[in-house]
Amino acid sequence: DTAVSQTPKYLVTQMGNDKSIKCEQNLGHDTMYWYKQDSKKFLKIMFSYNNKELIINETVPNRFSPKSPDKAHLNLHINSLELGDSAVYFCASSHRVDTQYFGPGTRLTVL
Amino acid sequence: KQEVTQIPAALSVPEGENLVLNCSFTDSAIYNLQWFRQDPGKGLTSLLLIQSSQREQTSGRLNASLDKSSGRSTLYIAASQPGDSATYLCAVSKGGSEKLVFGKGTKLTVNP
Repeated sequence: DTAVSQTPKYLVTQMGNDKSIKCEQNLGHDTMYWYKQDSKKFLKIMFSYNNKELIINETVPNRFSPKSPDKAHLNLHINSLELGDSAVYFCASSHRVDTQYFGPGTRLTVL
Repeated sequence: KQEVTQIPAALSVPEGENLVLNCSFTDSAIYNLQWFRQDPGKGLTSLLLIQSSQREQTSGRLNASLDKSSGRSTLYIAASQPGDSATYLCAVSKGGSEKLVFGKGTKLTVNP
């Protein structure tokens, strides 16, 4: 299937741990994104990469570090997890400013 | 700073009714506007994308309009069906940036 995929779908972890979420797209897009959807369902951009280069970096704690090994992958690593990091994290991709295609989301719960 | 507002926050209609969802944005210097649908526990599905130079886009029973100067867009759904029940999100992007700014969505329930 052509799509944006994320792993894992669910992630439950203790405060202080380090975790990673992986994202892959096989749509041939050059731009990938990470969004955070909080408990009130508000969706906000965190990062954007174009051709493996960081182009958008919103006001996000530096505990969050994205990494793009190639155009088809954008991973999100989170250090020293806090309760407030609990949310659904969505990966998306697009060809420049065209329609963005979203992954199914990763629900992160920090205990 | 761009802000996107969607009204109403929730809407419940009987099956078969035509309905309109509203979206407004504070900065009219947008590149495009997109409407998405989000089902519970799922990701977002793109419905329609309107470029800033366009006035409307249609796909099946959906019609989205854009009035850039007044900072407004509407999503019209004709002959609503229970399967249309979902949260509808509006998002705008600014020229030169791929960043999307989202509204908080309208939760639509279509009752059989």
